[in-house]
Amino acid sequence: DVKVTQSSRYLVKRTGEKVFLECVQDMDHENMFWYRQDPGLGLRLIYFSYDVKMKEKGDIPEGYSVSREKKERFSLILESASTNQTSMYLCASSFGRKGAEQFFGPGTRLTVL
Amino acid sequence: TQLLEQSPQFLSIQEGENLTVYCNSSSVFSSLQWYRQEPGEGPVLLVTVVTGGEVKKLKRLTFQFGDARKDSSLHITAAQPGDTGLYLCAGTPNTGNQFYFGTGTSLTVIP
Repeated sequence: DVKVTQSSRYLVKRTGEKVFLECVQDMDHENMFWYRQDPGLGLRLIYFSYDVKMKEKGDIPEGYSVSREKKERFSLILESASTNQTSMYLCASSFGRKGAEQFFGPGTRLTVL
Repeated sequence: TQLLEQSPQFLSIQEGENLTVYCNSSSVFSSLQWYRQEPGEGPVLLVTVVTGGEVKKLKRLTFQFGDARKDSSLHITAAQPGDTGLYLCAGTPNTGNQFYFGTGTSLTVIP
């Protein structure tokens, strides 16, 4: 079974803190994605990566950065957390072809106070 | 404006009723996927539709891809409480490489 794991299920941080969200997949997928999910807005893509050390901006990259030093790991970084970044963060991975099925982790519920 | 708009946003029905969820776009997609997300979990793929006009069935769920490949629908027959969840359509438009999710439909089936 494909497994995508995220470092935390729940996280509470203070405004201005630096936040790291880690995602690891065990299926040797080329593609990895970070989304945030908010009610009524569905899933919005923050960043994605098609290969190691490669990253592309999604729809809402402002306030976020990413790192992909190894194929299996994709990290999302909030340089200075703000209250409007309170959300559910979902990591996903997929094989390299366009439109391939995405496999998701369980999500991290981040609250910024 | 989202690339993929779903309707309705919320749906609450009694067990045994039928329902249809819609996913619409102004863009053409080579394929569309439907995912279901249960509380506390990530979305899980239900089906992929590829050909315009295609109909796929998954037990009591029927998925249809529009002839012009700009829209899709999900019909559930005799809904069960286990169908409760968030339903999301998703895909990559022909003109780009980014994968988009729809706005989602939250379904509650009351026993």
